[in-house]
Amino acid sequence: EVQLVESGGGLVQPGGSLRLSCAASAFTFSSYAMSWVRQAPGKGLEWVSSIAVSGANTYFADSVKGRFTISRDNSKNTLYLQMNSLRAEDTAIYYCAKTRGFGKTFDAFDIWGHGTMVTVSS
Amino acid sequence: AIQLTQSPSSLSASVGDRVTITCRASQGIRSAVAWFQQKPGKAPNLLIYDASSLESGVPSRFSGSGSGTDFTLTISSLQPEDFATYYCQQFKSFSTFGGGTKVEI
Repeated sequence: EVQLVESGGGLVQPGGSLRLSCAASAFTFSSYAMSWVRQAPGKGLEWVSSIAVSGANTYFADSVKGRFTISRDNSKNTLYLQMNSLRAEDTAIYYCAKTRGFGKTFDAFDIWGHGTMVTVSS
Repeated sequence: AIQLTQSPSSLSASVGDRVTITCRASQGIRSAVAWFQQKPGKAPNLLIYDASSLESGVPSRFSGSGSGTDFTLTISSLQPEDFATYYCQQFKSFSTFGGGTKVEI
């Protein structure tokens, strides 16, 4: 079964850092772009960041640009999100998502993980 | 950045009703639109991609239409399991989601 499993969430103080991971299984991870999408409590979905299949090209929402870094290890079938200078408004469930189209950086997200909660609070 | 405006933000409907949700883009995005269903405590689930293509395993009562700036998700006969929140997504330029439409009894 195609699956994405996030980990690394938790409680962090404002200004702190956190690294999220997303382990992929049952599909050719290295052939698909991957993304992070977040959802603040009681709010809608917000695209955060995407990374191309090779990892050479990365993209960020304005709200996280300069603070977050996305990367991938195709040998480990794992996606990462390094989050620095965290703010209260970064509090959300963070989902990793697979891009539907083979080799396409931007497309519909057809597989989602269960999400990992990040809480930024003192 | 491309913005997506969904309407309505919520609606009340009954089992068997035909439901229509609209999504308007701030600029033309061809057919680069997807629709998702999300239930409380769960991850979103892809229903429609490329504006009108039904994702595998999704019931045929769901359909999508539109191109350019105006898009529609239609549920032809609402079922009890369809009460949820629905989101549109554009992927023409990076990615953006609409604000969501909550479908309530």
